[in-house]
Amino acid sequence: SQQGEEDPQALSIQEGENATMNCSYKTSINNLQWYRQNSGRGLVHLILIRSNEREKHSGRLRVTLDTSKKSSSLLITASRAADTASYFCATPQLRSGGSNYKLTFGKGTLLTVNP
Amino acid sequence: KAGVTQTPRYLIKTRGQQVTLSCSPISGHRSVSWYQQTPGQGLQFLFEYFSETQRNKGNFPGRFSGRQFSNSRSEMNVSTLELGDSALYLCASSLDTDQETQYFGPGTRLLVL
Repeated sequence: SQQGEEDPQALSIQEGENATMNCSYKTSINNLQWYRQNSGRGLVHLILIRSNEREKHSGRLRVTLDTSKKSSSLLITASRAADTASYFCATPQLRSGGSNYKLTFGKGTLLTVNP
Repeated sequence: KAGVTQTPRYLIKTRGQQVTLSCSPISGHRSVSWYQQTPGQGLQFLFEYFSETQRNKGNFPGRFSGRQFSNSRSEMNVSTLELGDSALYLCASSLDTDQETQYFGPGTRLLVL
């Protein structure tokens, strides 16, 4: 079953605009991660935000986490054509002992940045 | 450091055959996870190995198996291939078993005819 669900499923914007993607999850987490996948290739880790953090920045990326709403958002500012990719949120499921179990991915948001 | 490598990159098989995919993790990484990605089901966890032991397993039939060697390299095997096994198989390595940042390989695209 999918733990994270991204919204929207697809997003098309012009270069220079900002892109916002949202992710909702179901169970308690200790961190949430965002990955990017270029067409049919491997995933690239973008950013990890821990459950005790509310916001994190990395270059043009800004991630927020609201554990009360079980949701996260990824903002890409000043988008470029090279940002065209699928973006996934991923959450580790916890074992009973509290350590992480496996990463569960949402179905992703397909971002198209038009030049 | 070199990234995660997977071989082969592309593979075409016919129904009923078996296939073995290989993954070499980043040097020093002891945890290797395998995922199957299809358009319909998305990314699904297959299994995870750590120190040559399978620690976690997803909801896949027994036709899917794997192993890890002492140098942390991992293989996964799919026997009696079905059309529905056509997918991108991704391998990911991480430093430990806490599933923090995972580093993915480029994947093996398997087509079953």
